[in-house]
Amino acid sequence: ETGVTQSPTHLIKTRGQQVTLRCSSQSGHNTVSWYQQALGQGPQFIFQYYREEENGRGNFPPRFSGLQFPNYSSELNVNALELDDSALYLCATQVGSSYNSPLHFGNGTRLTVT
Amino acid sequence: GESVGLHLPTLSVQEGDNSIINCAYSNSASDYFIWYKQESGKGPQFIIDIRSNMDKRQGQRVTVLLNKTVKHLSLQIAATQPGDSAVYFCSLSGGSNYKLTFGKGTLLTVNP
Repeated sequence: ETGVTQSPTHLIKTRGQQVTLRCSSQSGHNTVSWYQQALGQGPQFIFQYYREEENGRGNFPPRFSGLQFPNYSSELNVNALELDDSALYLCATQVGSSYNSPLHFGNGTRLTVT
Repeated sequence: GESVGLHLPTLSVQEGDNSIINCAYSNSASDYFIWYKQESGKGPQFIIDIRSNMDKRQGQRVTVLLNKTVKHLSLQIAATQPGDSAVYFCSLSGGSNYKLTFGKGTLLTVNP
């Protein structure tokens, strides 16, 4: 049990729609990262938020955006959904912005785009 | 950029045997390595980590070995149990220290 909670657990959207995924941080963890995991693959880094600002970004287009709130919870927004966006979206939290401590992952949101 | 590869996508062992999962990486600047376990329907779960100033670290029934010369990482699980059945990912950071790069994972199946 990691203490990182993601909602919803499953979601079905239509191509072109927009989606918002949510993550509540483990107590004391002020950094949140989002990862996309396609079926049969390892997680791919989308971006990280630290102190409510984007702290780094992977190779994802601008239609992937995020927010971090003062209580360290976070949202991932994806606009203009494409079929290839179907994946498991993972939120991970840690203390501090660098990798001096391991990420703690939630159980993810399974997004299906039809 | 960084890349992480696993030697075997699947591994099948008998209950009670020792398991060894291997991982290779390309970036010599990588300085932090983590093994994760992912069960079906769940997110990755932290198993053990190691920094580049070490070559071995032990946990409960698990050992991670790091060979920086050949850029190789391994996870050893002693007395493998059915509950160890899962996909195991090696991951690393280095250079840009805000992200982890993951391999594709090894599916470990433990036969009773």
